[in-house]
Amino acid sequence: KQEVTQIPAALSVPEGENLVLNCSFTDSAIYNLQWFRQDPGKGLTSLLLIQSSQREQTSGRLNASLDKSSGRSTLYIAASQPGDSATYLCAVRATNNLFFGTGTRLTVIP
Amino acid sequence: DGGITQSPKYLFRKEGQNVTLSCEQNLNHDAMYWYRQDPGQGLRLIYYSQIVNDFQKGDIAEGYSVSREKKESFPLTVTSAQKNPTAFYLCASSAKLNTEAFFGQGTRLTVV
Repeated sequence: KQEVTQIPAALSVPEGENLVLNCSFTDSAIYNLQWFRQDPGKGLTSLLLIQSSQREQTSGRLNASLDKSSGRSTLYIAASQPGDSATYLCAVRATNNLFFGTGTRLTVIP
Repeated sequence: DGGITQSPKYLFRKEGQNVTLSCEQNLNHDAMYWYRQDPGQGLRLIYYSQIVNDFQKGDIAEGYSVSREKKESFPLTVTSAQKNPTAFYLCASSAKLNTEAFFGQGTRLTVV
């Protein structure tokens, strides 16, 4: 069964710093990988979707990469801002299910 | 505004009661899903539906039931058979089964 791991579980950085969040998965047979943001008590907001045939996707200050053969993805956030503080979730699509990691809780300190 | 609407935001259930969580989408998506989120765990799939009048069990379907009578609506019933129902429930939809997923704002269910 697909297992998704996110490291670190929590991260605190000063405002303006660039940072990388990591996601690994055990089965490379995936359709796509999605990064989400979740604010406390709220639903998930889709940030980026990478198809299995793609290597990376960019949206504004966010860049996500995918190395399917090694089972890894990274989310790069440039010039972090206090408004980026949230939990970031990685999910891989396999068969009829999205398999989620437990997330990285990011705090950006002003 | 296009999106997914879940209601209510907060729900309290007494022991032995069934409760129904609402999920409506106006994105014209074929596929809809229900997930459960517990502290310290990843989201887990309860049920999904690829098309109207069809739905399939996910990883933790026991104690739950769904219906899909309309494309826009996918209500989830938490029955008295669900022994530990207190959790945050999230509804999602996607255009097709394996395309980008979009989520609602969630319903927090508490057993009192």
